[in-house]
Parts: sequence; C-alpha cells; structure tokens
Amino acid sequence: NAGVTQTPKFQVLKTGQSMTLQCAQDMNHNSMYWYRQDPGMGLRLIYYSASEGTTDKGEVPNGYNVSRLNKREFSLRLESAAPSQTSVYFCASSENPVQETQYFGPGTRLLVL
Amino acid sequence: DAKTTQPPSMDCAEGRAANLPCNHSTISGNEYVYWYRQIHSQGPQYIIHGLKNNETNEMASLIITEDRKSSTLILPHATLRDTAVYYCIVRSNAGNMLTFGGGTRLMVKP
Repeated sequence: NAGVTQTPKFQVLKTGQSMTLQCAQDMNHNSMYWYRQDPGMGLRLIYYSASEGTTDKGEVPNGYNVSRLNKREFSLRLESAAPSQTSVYFCASSENPVQETQYFGPGTRLLVL
Repeated sequence: DAKTTQPPSMDCAEGRAANLPCNHSTISGNEYVYWYRQIHSQGPQYIIHGLKNNETNEMASLIITEDRKSSTLILPHATLRDTAVYYCIVRSNAGNMLTFGGGTRLMVKP
C-alpha cells in the first residue's frame, strides 16, 4: 500500500494564480483532511470530508475550496493564490472521523510570490 | 478540545529512555490523549493514544496519571532516528480535527 499520496511535491505560484493540490489514499478510509503548516508552527485544519459526498470547514478555510471526488481522492483548490498561502500542505485520512488515528501524506510545499 | 502544554525542547542520549511530558489539566471525561511525531519535513506520524489506562505498542508507552491531567510518552531506547517534534493532542470522540500545538522538539544525541 502506498498509503496517502500527494501531488505535486513542490509548486511555485505567482499571486493571483490558481492551482489544485491532489491527494489520494488506498486504505479504503472514509474520512480525509487537509492541513497547512506554516514555518515553526503546528498543523491547522483547512477542510475535511467525514465521508464521501460531504465536506466541512476546519479552522482556516478562507481562500480554499475542496472536492471529495470519490472515496479515494480529496483535492484542495486555491482559486487566487496569495503570499499568505505559502505553506506546507498535508493531506490525511482516517477510517472514520471520530476517534480514529489519522495517516498523513508527505506534504506539498507551496511558495506564492 | 482541551489545551495541552509541552516543553518546547528536550535532549536525550542515544540508547536511553526519552520521557516526554504533557499537561492537559482541563481534559474532560470523553477526551483521549493522542501522540504524534513529525520528523523533519515529513508528514506527522501516529504513535499511540489512550483514555485512562496506560498503553504500550511497538513504538512507545503512554502513561496517564490517575486524575488524567497529565501524561508522559516514553520511548524506551531512543535512537538518532527518533529526533523529531512530538505533539501531544487531546481530542474528544466527537471531534473531527487534530489540534496541533507547538510540540516538543526532541533531540537524540550520540
């Protein structure tokens, strides 16, 4: 099993550009999550999907949209990137949303100029 | 979810036990204690979790005080590869998110 995979690994954007971060898991998990981590900080939840067909806002959702494409895939879209969105983005999944351990991907490093 | 307090950094000699403390004095009855770690530039990795009883797995042991206001993660024989930031997280069984604080930066030295 590959676990949780993320693409791309690195990306540089100009202010105002858009992009989609992709995440896929092969563990047949129901729940998926997007976090961001700024330098020297802990992770903060952007959006999550408790199950296929549902999405909910986390702690810092502004400037982002998500799509739970199917059970395996959960994408994060930046419609108009801003320098404040420079961060490392981690996707995670868990079998269920409640009281379950989360498994994280390797991260996408995004720089917005 | 309850707030946690951890020391910002700790050192440990290779081969010795690393004992990482966490204070969660406002924990409520339905909240679990989770530990994750993050090795430089990688995604966080689950280590262990518990509610009331002490727990042990192949990676670590978790000791929770009787009043549940604090806990200690024990890495019994720390290696250089255990150098990482360790996060103590308190989470209810109704919660959807993991709230990561600052964590403890553990440096294992030869």
